[in-house]
Amino acid sequence: DTAVSQTPKYLVTQMGNDKSIKCEQNLGHDTMYWYKQDSKKFLKIMFSYNNKELIINETVPNRFSPKSPDKAHLNLHINSLELGDSAVYFCASSQDLSGAFFGQGTRLTVV
Amino acid sequence: QKEVEQNSGPLSVPEGAIASLNCTYSDRGSQSFFWYRQYSGKSPELIMFIYSNGDKEDGRFTAQLNKASQYVSLLIRDSQPSDSATYLCAVNTDSNYQLIWGAGTKLIIKP
Repeated sequence: DTAVSQTPKYLVTQMGNDKSIKCEQNLGHDTMYWYKQDSKKFLKIMFSYNNKELIINETVPNRFSPKSPDKAHLNLHINSLELGDSAVYFCASSQDLSGAFFGQGTRLTVV
Repeated sequence: QKEVEQNSGPLSVPEGAIASLNCTYSDRGSQSFFWYRQYSGKSPELIMFIYSNGDKEDGRFTAQLNKASQYVSLLIRDSQPSDSATYLCAVNTDSNYQLIWGAGTKLIIKP
């Protein structure tokens, strides 16, 4: 039974399109995150929600909009996709100051 | 600017030897420290965490924390080829649950 699951695993789309990535965790954690990992493998936090409340909103284009319908779900919607958005996007969850558990990642390719 | 520094490597270690991975951090208020392993094409996987000064052992892995010198290290004893991966250091600096990530060290275990 997967702890943090995100869909889809692969996403290939054209510039200018709008797409969403979904994430769900069944660990009962209060905090969820979206990370972006670029081709240089550096993990960069994008957003963090704690109990459905946005607590971290890094400098990310406003084309990216997270939505947390409940504390087990954190979705990411991206408008007007650009070539530079191509990366692997990871969802993760954590509880208090314990480590984060990651989903399998969504490899987004914008063509 | 809170930073976490790691040598990008690659670090090449013969099979059976001890692999030593190091990480330094800039924020003296850092509270918890994590080591993640990431295989190519996979998501980061939490392998160790440490909160207090000193050593913490888990199987072949030992995490070492020295808050005075602001470094945390990971030792892997009896290195196996399956340990070849990128090792990411992450530091939690405040109660906002935000992890600050290093860029990772690529470890290669040579048979």
